Amino acid sequence: AQKITQTQPGMFVQEKEAVTLDCTYDTSDPSYGLFWYKQPSSGEMIFLIYQGSYDQQNATEGRYSLNFQKARKSANLVISASQLGDSAMYFCAMRGYASKIIFGSGTRLSIRP
Amino acid sequence: NAGVMQNPRHLVRRRGQEARLRCSPMKGHSHVYWYRQLPEEGLKFMVYLQKENIIDESGMPKERFSAEFPKEGPSILRIQQVVRGDSAAYFCASSPSVGTDTQYFGPGTRLTVL
Repeated sequence: AQKITQTQPGMFVQEKEAVTLDCTYDTSDPSYGLFWYKQPSSGEMIFLIYQGSYDQQNATEGRYSLNFQKARKSANLVISASQLGDSAMYFCAMRGYASKIIFGSGTRLSIRP
Repeated sequence: NAGVMQNPRHLVRRRGQEARLRCSPMKGHSHVYWYRQLPEEGLKFMVYLQKENIIDESGMPKERFSAEFPKEGPSILRIQQVVRGDSAAYFCASSPSVGTDTQYFGPGTRLTVL
């Protein structure tokens, strides 16, 4: 069975600091995708970054990078130089081949000015 | 290129009424997924559809819930005889292919059952 675990229910970070949001996963699929989504208070789900299981390099998108450690089955999100607008819920998610996405329980990130 | 569209954005129903939620996928996307998010929880998969076919409905409640994705028009999630426990945000997502590609989400429909 597939499973996503986010162990940090909430985090407080000072503005301009870097922050790491933890995510571990479990799957028996040889091919899978890992995702991070941001959900601000307005409620929409915003796609941030994607990592394929066969990708050799860690994914990066602007201030977001995914620290993918396949042997440890972890896919942590790193946000560099955090901004007030980064305050939101963050969900780690995984998709096996031809299957639905399963989501973690989320981490609520709050950025202090 | 318009994103995934959902309507209505907010829907209020009384217990026992029917709720119909609509989703138009991104242009070129033929795979549609519905998810439900209860307050303060993550999203839970409900159903995966391609045009005119239900591929995976393992997350759908056995009664009162149904989904379709006709050849023409949007995908519809239908909830009959709604109860207060159906109050949630319902998200639709679409993807272009069957692999491990990213799914792009619509803005969601917030259903409130009085």
